[in-house]
Amino acid sequence: SYVLTQPPSVSVAPGKTARITCGGNNIGIKSVHWYQQRPGQAPVLVVYYDYDRPSGIPERFSGSNSENTATLTISRVEAGDEADYYCQVWDSSSDHWVFGGGTKLTVL
Amino acid sequence: QVHLVQSGADVKKPGASVRVSCKASGYSFTNYVIQWVRQAPGQRLAWMGWINTDTGGTRFSQSFQGRITITRDTSASTAYMELSSLRSEDTAVYFCARAEVATGHFDYWGQGTLVTVSS
Repeated sequence: SYVLTQPPSVSVAPGKTARITCGGNNIGIKSVHWYQQRPGQAPVLVVYYDYDRPSGIPERFSGSNSENTATLTISRVEAGDEADYYCQVWDSSSDHWVFGGGTKLTVL
Repeated sequence: QVHLVQSGADVKKPGASVRVSCKASGYSFTNYVIQWVRQAPGQRLAWMGWINTDTGGTRFSQSFQGRITITRDTSASTAYMELSSLRSEDTAVYFCARAEVATGHFDYWGQGTLVTVSS
């Protein structure tokens, strides 16, 4: 089955840029969605179809996807961005949704 | 505004079944798929299955095949997920989520339902 690999944690100072990666075999040909999950809350969609942003999500959140790595970039990081972030793809070979292991973003 | 409101927390004994409901409001229920995802303590999100709320058609993760049933009541704009033969490893928060198409992103989520399996 298809596997998505994320770093367990990323730390960044306020005002800096955080980059959270999601690795997968030839992930560049798949559509990647990203979710933010704060402790005790439901996930919230922050980026879909690689780089689109839902209404209400700040422009500071952006995405890219190429070859074997998709990246969620958060610019001008704020304390409120501290959360777990999950990537997600549809694996058409198994007809199955796949989530990455999640990355805990810590704002120093 | 779109809301998905789930049923409350539940405690079940091993071997029992649990049914979680997901009531939708703020949109046309049958125009969107309802997905089910669970998250065991400290674990990643795990997709369980979906229901086409218009046709009633379903698809399940192989991880839950044979133990999961997903239904809907269009008159009540509510979807249901039932998991049987519960074991301790099924202790998790269960989420429903909405998707425009079954293979598209999940744009709204329910608040989650904690199911605890304990003797």
